[in-house]
Order: sequence, then C-alpha cells, then structure tokens
Amino acid sequence: EAGVVQSPRYKIIEKKQPVAFWCNPISGHNTLYWYLQNLGQGPELLIRYENEEAVDDSQLPKDRFSAERLKGVDSTLKIQPAELGDSAVYLCASSLGQTDYEQYFGPGTRLTVT
Amino acid sequence: TQLLEQSPQFLSIQEGENLTVYCNSSSVFSSLQWYRQEPGEGPVLLVTVVTGGEVKKLKRLTFQFGDARKDSSLHITAAQPGDTGLYLCAGARPSNTGKLIFGQGTTLQVKP
Repeated sequence: EAGVVQSPRYKIIEKKQPVAFWCNPISGHNTLYWYLQNLGQGPELLIRYENEEAVDDSQLPKDRFSAERLKGVDSTLKIQPAELGDSAVYLCASSLGQTDYEQYFGPGTRLTVT
Repeated sequence: TQLLEQSPQFLSIQEGENLTVYCNSSSVFSSLQWYRQEPGEGPVLLVTVVTGGEVKKLKRLTFQFGDARKDSSLHITAAQPGDTGLYLCAGARPSNTGKLIFGQGTTLQVKP
C-alpha cells in the first residue's frame, strides 16, 4: 500500500514569491492534515480536512496561507507571498477518520525562503 | 503554553546504554502516541496507548501511560545507533475530536 505522497520534497524561493505544496493521502483516508514543523520541534497543525471540508483551520495564517481539497482526496497548500519566517518543513498526514488518531505522515516538503 | 512537555530535549548516549524519555502534562488525554522521525522523513507511529497504567513493548522499547492518563514514558534498553532520531509524543484531548497535540520532541543520538 502506498503511503502519503508529497511534492516537491525541497523548494527554495525568494521572499514575496508564491509557493504551493501538494499531498496525496493514503487511499481511503478521509481525514487529511497539514502541519508545519521547525527544526528539532514537534509538528504544529495548520489545517485539518474531513473529506473536502476544512473542519479546523484556526491555526492557518489566512492572510497568506490557503489550502484546498476539492474532491476530498489530494490537497494543495499555498503560501502567497512567502516570508523568511515561513522556512520550515511542511508535513501532510492522513488518517481513516476524525476519531482515528493514528496518523500517517508523508516525508514533508522542506521550504527555504531567501 | 506547551500542553505536552517532553524531557529531555536532547540526549546523546553510547551504544548499549539505557534511556528514558518523558512526556508530561497537567491535562488528561484519551490516548497518547509515540512517533519516531528520522532526518528528511515524516514521523512514523510507534505505538498508541489508551488505558491508564497501560504498558506496551516493541522489541527494546517499552511505553507506559500514566495511571491518570496525563503522562507517558518511553524506555529504550541497550540503545543502538539505529535508534537515533527525533522522538515525539502526541496526545488526543477528550474534548477535541480529531486533533493531536504534539510535544516538542526529544532528539536522541546513539553513538557507536
């Protein structure tokens, strides 16, 4: 069974440029999460989807971050414009449902903003 | 405010030594999980504990959930270089369905 797929794995951009990350969850997993992780720290939730509905986006900086999961399968996270402080690893995870706390993570996208 | 406090934050030991990592909170969790993350990869789930006082073993790793479901520990016996990584605990709050609270992690380095 394929795991959570993320692309790109690495991205280097200049500040004020836009960037987008893509995630394909494990087949059959209804819940999808986007996390931000700084080096040596635990992941911090940005947004959680149940199918195509964003059920928790309270930690998403909505002035510059946006996300979508149009068909309830894969998802895109966008930053526009990027700032230096956005440099981090962006992790995508999925689980069977919102009552299933066992989350499966993708390898992440390491973003560097210069 | 960190809801889940992990200690120590960094640990560097020699191969063959034992170690314990702690995950503490003043809040009750309905379940608690431990993940290991290697450089350049996402966290990988090691175990889920749901019952107060529960002990689970995974080869040389022993996980315990506190009786009051507010804390947990991870003990590694005879650590090996392959155990090197970032260890994360994550808890599910009874009142917040679907959301995991992660600790800040413990970076473990096992030297050969």
